[in-house]
Amino acid sequence: GQNIDQPTEMTATEGAIVQINCTYQTSGFNGLFWYQQHAGEAPTFLSYNVLDGLEEKGRFSSFLSRSKGYSYLLLKELQMKDSASYLCAVRDYPHDYKLSFGAGTTVTVRA
Amino acid sequence: DADVTQTPRNRITKTGKRIMLECSQTKGHDRMYWYRQDPGLGLRLIYYSFDVKDINKGEISDGYSVSRQAQAKFSLSLESAIPNQTALYFCATSDSTSYEQYFGPGTRLTVT
Repeated sequence: GQNIDQPTEMTATEGAIVQINCTYQTSGFNGLFWYQQHAGEAPTFLSYNVLDGLEEKGRFSSFLSRSKGYSYLLLKELQMKDSASYLCAVRDYPHDYKLSFGAGTTVTVRA
Repeated sequence: DADVTQTPRNRITKTGKRIMLECSQTKGHDRMYWYRQDPGLGLRLIYYSFDVKDINKGEISDGYSVSRQAQAKFSLSLESAIPNQTALYFCATSDSTSYEQYFGPGTRLTVT
């Protein structure tokens, strides 16, 4: 089975940095996704990590440590539009079509 | 135009009614999925399909059925809706060569 944990809520100030942690315990692992979801909208893809290390994409970075079952999403230079829920999802192995999602972390950016 | 569309976007129905949620995609993907999302819970997989003749149950399929009418269309039915099926439902697609799933805009279903 899959157990994926992430904090429920975080609040930060515009222009600041926020780090959202995700820990997982899974029976099979073939990569970890981060999705962004604005309220009432579809999740949209942010990043995918399959190897250990840091992947940077503009203001967003994602880190993975497979040995520790740990990932984080780093949001820099926060903007009001970054207020959203951030979903951590683990891709199964060998059933690579299966994604197991965490409950999501709601980030509120304040002026 | 959106690559993955869902209809209706919102629906209120009564307990015991049959309801169908529809999903269409123009991405040419072979794989399609239905998820539900509840507050405080992650997205959970209801059914998935690898092609028109390959349909499989996900982790929470009880009370639901699906139909893959064509490669581009995947419908979810609630044969007899009950209040605990009130949720946000998402359709998603992917192809067998990539890892990313693309989500539709969602259907908010309320069963009273």
